[in-house]
Amino acid sequence: EAGVAQSPRYKIIEKRQSVAFWCNPISGHATLYWYQQILGQGPKLLIQFQNNGVVDDSQLPKDRFSAERLKGVDSTLKIQPAKLEDSAVYLCASSGGGAAWGDTQYFGPGTRLTVL
Amino acid sequence: ILNVEQSPQSLHVQEGDSTNFTCSFPSSNFYALHWYRWETAKSPEALFVMTLNGDEKKKGRISATLNTKEGYSYLYIKGSQPEDSATYLCAFLYGNKLVFGAGTILRVKS
Repeated sequence: EAGVAQSPRYKIIEKRQSVAFWCNPISGHATLYWYQQILGQGPKLLIQFQNNGVVDDSQLPKDRFSAERLKGVDSTLKIQPAKLEDSAVYLCASSGGGAAWGDTQYFGPGTRLTVL
Repeated sequence: ILNVEQSPQSLHVQEGDSTNFTCSFPSSNFYALHWYRWETAKSPEALFVMTLNGDEKKKGRISATLNTKEGYSYLYIKGSQPEDSATYLCAFLYGNKLVFGAGTILRVKS
């Protein structure tokens, strides 16, 4: 079974530029998550989708971050414009059911973003 | 603010040593606790999902226990090997989201 795919793996941009990350979850998984992991901290949930609807985006900085899940499968996360403090690893995960059911979440390898 | 604390922050051990880490979480409104292993340049890998007080789970040389009444979980590694070097994360299920600790970095020296 193929795992969660993410691209790119690494990205370096200057502040105020835009960047987009892509995620393809495990086939058949209804729930998709985007996490931000800043060095020295645990991953923080940015947004959770159930199929193509948003379940939780309470920690997404909506003035600069946006995310969509096309047709309930792939997802993109965009930052526009980027700030220095956005430097982090962005992880995508998927699960068969929702997080509230305690389902195991399967993670991709992440995108390491450096903002200069 | 919900706090999930992990200790120690990092650990260096010799090959063959046994080791353990702690994850502390709120003892009220418990639903589930997840443990993950994250090796450098790889995807975080699920180890255990623990839901019941007194749960003990085992996967090879790694085992975990859960005490929901006092709000802690222990992860044990018996006879550490260099391939066990990774960051070990715990995550507390709060409502519909996982709240992660900062992790324990384990380095096993051969």
